[in-house]
Amino acid sequence: DAGVTQSPTHLIKTRGQQVTLRCSPISGHKSVSWYQQVLGQGPQFIFQYYEKEERGRGNFPDRFSARQFPNYSSELNVNALLLGDSALYLCASSWGEGVGQETQYFGPGTRLLVL
Amino acid sequence: AQKVTQAQTEISVVEKEDVTLDCVYETRDTTYYLFWYKQPPSGELVFLIRRNSFDEQNEISGRYSWNFQKSTSSFNFTITASQVVDSAVYFCALRTGSSNTGKLIFGQGTTLQVKP
Repeated sequence: DAGVTQSPTHLIKTRGQQVTLRCSPISGHKSVSWYQQVLGQGPQFIFQYYEKEERGRGNFPDRFSARQFPNYSSELNVNALLLGDSALYLCASSWGEGVGQETQYFGPGTRLLVL
Repeated sequence: AQKVTQAQTEISVVEKEDVTLDCVYETRDTTYYLFWYKQPPSGELVFLIRRNSFDEQNEISGRYSWNFQKSTSSFNFTITASQVVDSAVYFCALRTGSSNTGKLIFGQGTTLQVKP
């Protein structure tokens, strides 16, 4: 079975631009989470979506937004890019949001460089 | 507050040595979940293990073993007879039961280098 897929793999943008990152979860998984990983640090939680509804939001500015589609794929949008947004953006999927479905499986990530 | 601390930033060993990666967590919740992930240079986080707070049994999987001790809030990871392919960054993560989201709280990671 295919794992979590993300596109694009790499992206270079300039300050002030907008970017859209895409994620397809493992087949059958209904929950998608987004994380930002700055070089040398652990991933930081940005959003979680379950059944197309936002279920959690981390400490990120409103420039960050996301959505989940009926097929459970997801997009992460970042507006007005700053140099500090340069990071690896990881998408993770899980079967559901309940107690018994806690394991998140991660995709390969999108490396974003803001110049 | 919830927090995960991996005090070891980098560890370097020679192949076939045993190595233990430390993880200390903080949470006031009585129900929580602990995880270990491996991140090779390619960047993808690979799931290794999940442990529930109500299950303190230690686990062994091949060369990997995990020691969960609630008394010291630790969830340490040991690799026996390390191999070059074990070289990666290892993350310990916490999810609390009171959270209604899937938010994982990660430690800073430990970079393991296994030299031939």
